[in-house]
Order: sequence, then C-alpha cells, then structure tokens
Amino acid sequence: GAVVSQHPSRVICKSGTSVKIECRSLDFQATTMFWYRQFPKQSLMLMATSNEGSKATYEQGVEKDKFLINHASLTLSTLTVTSAHPEDSSFYICSAREDVGDTQYFGPGTRLTVL
Amino acid sequence: QKEVEQNSGPLSVPEGAIASLNCTYSDRGSQSFFWYRQYSGKSPELIMFIYSNGDKEDGRFTAQLNKASQYVSLLIRDSQPSDSATYLCAVMASGTYKYIFGTGTRLKVLA
Repeated sequence: GAVVSQHPSRVICKSGTSVKIECRSLDFQATTMFWYRQFPKQSLMLMATSNEGSKATYEQGVEKDKFLINHASLTLSTLTVTSAHPEDSSFYICSAREDVGDTQYFGPGTRLTVL
Repeated sequence: QKEVEQNSGPLSVPEGAIASLNCTYSDRGSQSFFWYRQYSGKSPELIMFIYSNGDKEDGRFTAQLNKASQYVSLLIRDSQPSDSATYLCAVMASGTYKYIFGTGTRLKVLA
C-alpha cells in the first residue's frame, strides 16, 4: 500500500513554455500533499503544501504565480511550472500524507529540463 | 530557524558490518521522526518512523530516539552493498505536517 505516482517522469521543454506535473495517491486518500524540488547533490527543498479544496501554502521565496498548484481531489495534486526558464531545471518530487498518521510517501519524481 | 543536522559523509563500512547514522534536530516540540533512503537519481523511500523515546526495530534496521538530547539515529545491521545510498533524516516540525530534512548522509558499503 501507500503508493504515490507522478507523471511525467521526465520532461524536456523550451524556455517560456509551461509544464504540468501530476501527483496521485493510488491507494489512499491524501488531504495534504507536498511539492519539493531537489538540485544535484542537495537535499529536498519544500516548495509548497497542497491542501485539497483550498489554496496551497507556499514556502518563503517560492513564487506562487510561477508554480501553480491545484489539489482538486483527495488523490490528485498538480504542479504547473509557468513560463519555465533554464534555472527551473530540477528534480521535482511530490509526497502525499495519509489522512491518518504523519508519514509522507513520495512519488518517483519528475526530472524537468528547460532548454 | 528549525534545523536538522546530519554528517554528509561518505560513511564507508565493510559488507556485513553495522552502519550507524546520526541526526540531531533543533525543534524541541517535534514528535515525529523519519528515516528515508534515497538512491542516486531516485526519490526518497521510507525506511521507518519513530515517535517514542527508545529503540524501534524493523528487520535489519533499528531507529533510536532520544528527545531529551534531540537526537535520532539509524542502525543498519549486516550492511549490504545494496544499502549504499543517501539516508535522509526528516523531522516533522511542531504544529505542522511539514518535514524538515537533513542534508543526508551518504553511505557506502564496501563488498
């Protein structure tokens, strides 16, 4: 149990385009999901907390107009990187928290490359 | 600023030995602690969680928690080359569901 999927696993896009990443909890409901970014040889950096049915909460320094988060159901959250630039290239990882308990289960990640 | 500290390593141990990974945290109100393993290029996978002081064992893994000393550790018995990875300590910040991650300890198990 506790499986989280993420799609796509890898995306290459041109500068200025928008990219949508989906995160799904497959076998449990997740009122709360999280979006992280990880640069090479660094730890995970929390970008935002996604709450079903309400607005996401962004960490300091993360532009909410650039990283749009929608959590429309108890099993799906999406992150849209708008007007992507090369500096947005990174490994984006989502996690889902089971509604009972504190454990976060991570998706497999999306590697974004902006040319 | 709430922080989680880990030695970045690499920690090298011979196959079959015990690997000991340590983590300290600054948030005295934290109640939930997690260890994740992350292979290069992959996302973190949960090894175990611990909420209470003392030891918690799961197979070859033992987590140890000492809230008074603000210290959590992970022991890996009978280390295997496949255990070579980065181990991330995560502490749930008090009053939230957010995790604070350490920078990770890179473990190398030598065959």
